[in-house]
Amino acid sequence: DVVMTQTPLSLSVTPGQPASISCKSSQSLLNSDGRTYLYWFLQKPGQSPQLLINEVSSRFSGVPDRFSGSGSGTDFTLKISRLEAEDVGVYYCMQGLHLPLTFGGGTKVAIK
Amino acid sequence: DVQLVESGGGLVQPGGSLRLSCATSGFTFSRHWMYWVRQAPGKGLEWVSRINGAGNIRDYADPVKGRFTISRDNAENTVHVHLRSLRVEDTAVYFCVRRAETGTGGNLFDVWGQGNLVTVSS
Repeated sequence: DVVMTQTPLSLSVTPGQPASISCKSSQSLLNSDGRTYLYWFLQKPGQSPQLLINEVSSRFSGVPDRFSGSGSGTDFTLKISRLEAEDVGVYYCMQGLHLPLTFGGGTKVAIK
Repeated sequence: DVQLVESGGGLVQPGGSLRLSCATSGFTFSRHWMYWVRQAPGKGLEWVSRINGAGNIRDYADPVKGRFTISRDNAENTVHVHLRSLRVEDTAVYFCVRRAETGTGGNLFDVWGQGNLVTVSS
């Protein structure tokens, strides 16, 4: 199974300040079609997860541009340029290339 | 409006069975792969199973293989998962999830249901 390792486990950020989450996969997520199937989700308190980022760096419909994704191969990063109160919750990376599909353990982001 | 609404959860004893259903609306159901993802209390996300649009390709995570069966009814726009031989460690919120129709590979989860709690306890 592909192991997805997220760091840090938790983050406390002052509103307006940046935040960064790392996700490393135990195998490359680059497919033979040239696409890299790494996604980011946010699960706000009491809600279902919601898609933020598709294929490493493409923001999903309606996602604010303060969210950005980067990386390649096995190393990926989600950045929030200026944290807002509505961004609190648990962030998960997920690989969509290999079965079983696997998620990172989650990074809890809170307001300082 | 695209909607996924799960039902069928509840309390069941170890070794028991339960069927979860996910009623969908607002999109062409038969064109989408559908998935189940679970989340144990206070824990992270775990993929459980998936089924293709025609219903003839099914995949399962190892912890549930041989015990869970995914199915779909394209006439009713509904996906089910039959949970058998339930264990305490199957206790979780089960989410129904839609895969986006991207025309590419990968498994892009673009719509999630609200989740349905299954509790396995004596």
